[in-house]
Amino acid sequence: NAGVTQTPKFQVLKTGQSMTLQCAQDMNHNSMYWYRQDPGMGLRLIYYSASEGTTDKGEVPNGYNVSRLNKREFSLRLESAAPSQTSVYFCASRTRDRSYEQYFGPGTRLTVT
Amino acid sequence: GDSVTQMEGPVTLSEEAFLTINCTYTATGYPSLFWYVQYPGEGLQLLLKATKADDKGSNKGFEATYRKETTSFHLEKGSVQVSDSAVYFCALDNSGGSNYKLTFGKGTLLTVNP
Repeated sequence: NAGVTQTPKFQVLKTGQSMTLQCAQDMNHNSMYWYRQDPGMGLRLIYYSASEGTTDKGEVPNGYNVSRLNKREFSLRLESAAPSQTSVYFCASRTRDRSYEQYFGPGTRLTVT
Repeated sequence: GDSVTQMEGPVTLSEEAFLTINCTYTATGYPSLFWYVQYPGEGLQLLLKATKADDKGSNKGFEATYRKETTSFHLEKGSVQVSDSAVYFCALDNSGGSNYKLTFGKGTLLTVNP
């Protein structure tokens, strides 16, 4: 099992450009999440999908959209990138059982100039 | 709303020193509590957890006890190693099983010198 995979690992965008961050998990998990990590801020939830076919806003959704393509894949889209979106983005997934553990991908480091 | 406060870093220790990283939380009800660890260049991974008051989570020599009376979940290790150098995050889940959202603290960078 690969666990949670994310592409790309690194990306540089110019202000106003768009891009999609891809995330996939092979653990048959129901719930998936997108976080951003900024220095001194910890991890902040952008969007999550409790199950296939549903998505909900997290703490910092402005400027982002998501798509839960199927049970395995959950993508994050920046329609018009801004320097404030420079961050490290992590995707995570977990099951509905009561193990409570979220499994994280390796992250995408995004720089917007 | 829910929140997690953990001690500011960075923390620098010598190998074999005792480690404590403080974590306190604010939440209604009975959240589950977690410590996650992030090694350089990697994603987060679960270190330990406790799902009810007085539970002790433990893993790899690390321990933390869920103290409801002090709303705390401090991380401890008796003898740290260089390989423990990482960022440590305290987190809580107070979703009651509905959507499993985690609330994270800001993280504490630990550096262990040989």
